Amino acid sequence: NAGVTQTPKFRILKIGQSMTLQCTQDMNHNYMYWYRQDPGMGLKLIYYSVGAGITDKGEVPNGYNVSRSTTEDFPLRLELAAPSQTSVYFCASSYQDRYTGELFFGEGSRLTVL
Amino acid sequence: QKEVEQDPGPLSVPEGAIVSLNCTYSNSAFQYFMWYRQYSRKGPELLMYTYSSGNKEDGRFTAQVDKSSKYISLFIRDSQPSDSATYLCAMARGNTGKLIFGQGTTLQVKP
Repeated sequence: NAGVTQTPKFRILKIGQSMTLQCTQDMNHNYMYWYRQDPGMGLKLIYYSVGAGITDKGEVPNGYNVSRSTTEDFPLRLELAAPSQTSVYFCASSYQDRYTGELFFGEGSRLTVL
Repeated sequence: QKEVEQDPGPLSVPEGAIVSLNCTYSNSAFQYFMWYRQYSRKGPELLMYTYSSGNKEDGRFTAQVDKSSKYISLFIRDSQPSDSATYLCAMARGNTGKLIFGQGTTLQVKP
C-alpha cells in the first residue's frame, strides 16, 4: 500500500495563477482532509470530506475549492494564488468506524506564491 | 487567544534524558487528545491517543490529560537521537478528523 500520495511535492506559482494539488489514497478511507502548515503555526484544516460527493469547509477555506468524485481522490484547487497561500499542504485520510484519532498524512506539497 | 497553546521550543536534551512536552487549551469541549510526531519534510504520524482524562503508556512514551486544568503532556523516557522531531499536540471535540493542532515543539536529542 502506498498510503496517501500527494503531487506535486514542490511548486512555485505567480500571484493570480491557479493550480490543483492532487491527493489519492489506497486505504479505502471514507474521510479525507486538507490541512495547511505555516511555520510556527501548527496545522489548520482547509476542507474535509466524509465520502464521495460530500465536502465541507474547515477553519481556513477562503481561496480554495475541493471536489470528491471518488473515494480515492480529493484534489485541492487554488484559484487566483496569493502570497498568503505560501505554505505546506498536507492531505490526510482516516477510518471512522473505530475512532483512534489517527489521520494518515501524505508527505506534503510545498507551495510558494511569488 | 489560541484554542491550543504549545511552546515551540526548540528543546535540546542529551541522549537518555526524560523529555516533557506540554499543551494547554481553552475549549472544555475537547474530548479527544492526540500527540503526533513529525520528522523534517514529512507528514505527521500519530504517536499517542487518549480519550478524556488520565494516563496512557506505550513503551517509552506516556501521555497525560488533565481536563480540569485543560493541560496535556507527553513524556519521553530514555530519549534517543531518533526521537529528534517536531511533536504536535492535537485535539478534537468529537470523534472526527477535524483536529485542532498546537504549534508544535521541536525536539533535538544529542548523542
